[in-house]
Amino acid sequence: GEDVEQSLFLSVREGDSSVINCTYTDSSSTYLYWYKQEPGAGLQLLTYIFSNMDMKQDQRLTVLLNKKDKHLSLRIADTQTGDSAIYFCAESSGNDMRFGAGTRLTVKP
Amino acid sequence: ETGVTQSPTHLIKTRGQQVTLRCSSQSGHNTVSWYQQALGQGPQFIFQYYREEENGRGNFPPRFSGLQFPNYSSELNVNALELDDSALYLCASSLTSGSDEQYFGPGTRLTVT
Repeated sequence: GEDVEQSLFLSVREGDSSVINCTYTDSSSTYLYWYKQEPGAGLQLLTYIFSNMDMKQDQRLTVLLNKKDKHLSLRIADTQTGDSAIYFCAESSGNDMRFGAGTRLTVKP
Repeated sequence: ETGVTQSPTHLIKTRGQQVTLRCSSQSGHNTVSWYQQALGQGPQFIFQYYREEENGRGNFPPRFSGLQFPNYSSELNVNALELDDSALYLCASSLTSGSDEQYFGPGTRLTVT
């Protein structure tokens, strides 16, 4: 089946940039997403990118898509302690979405 | 706040029992998807309902079933519960099938003992 893979952990200092990486295998992916999940909560949609785009910027968030390499990244500028959470990469090509296992971002003061 | 609510928040059941989880979608969203998120993993797609009909299913057995109602509410039913069914169950609503944006509820934490 199709897979979405992410590194499990990332630790940064407050004020630094965070870059979370993701790879996927489904070449027919239409949309690629980044979700944030805080402890005990559901998933919050942060941003998404259509597969024919290579970059999308939304305030502190920058998404880069390399469709050839099936690589997606999320850059968070000026990372704050409130950004500490688990970040999920997901892709869809139809009715369902396939998620990675999540990257736990820890922001140290 | 996504406008998607789920009940109950937590639930404890015994192996072999049946459970019904509920979701209330955003008004106007005629598509609801259900996901299972085991501890330490990403969500896994169970199925999607569009206009009260099942519209796609993941790799889950038939004892996982659903219903969607005209008032934007839906249910996930699981029969013959197994220990491995312990997970966070998330519903997500979207404006239409294949929509680019799905809005998730806070989830129901199911524990099977």
